[in-house]
Amino acid sequence: QQQVKQSPQSLIVQKGGISIINCAYENTAFDYFPWYQQFPGKGPALLIAIRPDVSEKKEGRFTISFNKSAKQFSLHIMDSQPGDSATYFCAASRGQGAQKLVFGQGTRLTINP
Amino acid sequence: GAVVSQHPSRVICKSGTSVKIECRSLDFQATTMFWYRQFPKQSLMLMATSNEGSKATYEQGVEKDKFLINHASLTLSTLTVTSAHPEDSSFYICSARRDSASSTQYFGPGTRLLVL
Repeated sequence: QQQVKQSPQSLIVQKGGISIINCAYENTAFDYFPWYQQFPGKGPALLIAIRPDVSEKKEGRFTISFNKSAKQFSLHIMDSQPGDSATYFCAASRGQGAQKLVFGQGTRLTINP
Repeated sequence: GAVVSQHPSRVICKSGTSVKIECRSLDFQATTMFWYRQFPKQSLMLMATSNEGSKATYEQGVEKDKFLINHASLTLSTLTVTSAHPEDSSFYICSARRDSASSTQYFGPGTRLLVL
């Protein structure tokens, strides 16, 4: 119940295309869903986050789509650029207590020029 | 704002020695800090949660006496890997949260530990 399942494991997209990464969760107590971007040898950086009271959130080229009934959320990267090549992690946490993040397995995204 | 630093960024030590890693929140006070471990091409594994002024809470399977965590102030938490062995070699990352009302965790740049 604490797992967050992320897919695909790796993704190759052409420059200018749309990159889509999906995550699914089981624990309905989760109420915070962030996406992190990590470059090799660096710590994760927060990209965008969403709460279950909205179905979509957009920040620049990054959009989170959230489907509460299906317990799924996804990251869309529009107009993907070579600089977006990185590993992306979805995560989820509960609003109470320590609010520990449960991370997905990660998606290695490669944008071909 | 919300910058978290770690020191050192990379450390090499001999087997049997202890290594201390510092995590600092530079522009905010962090009531809670978290320590993660990440193996190559894998996800982040939470090791422990530390709250300022109290004992850390360790995740199942993480040895408390092996990984000592101290959260002495609202801007500093330290992780000490005691009697390090080659299997402790990993990427250690900390994160910090401003307050209990915020879910957002800001991550440090990580510390690469290599035990010879």
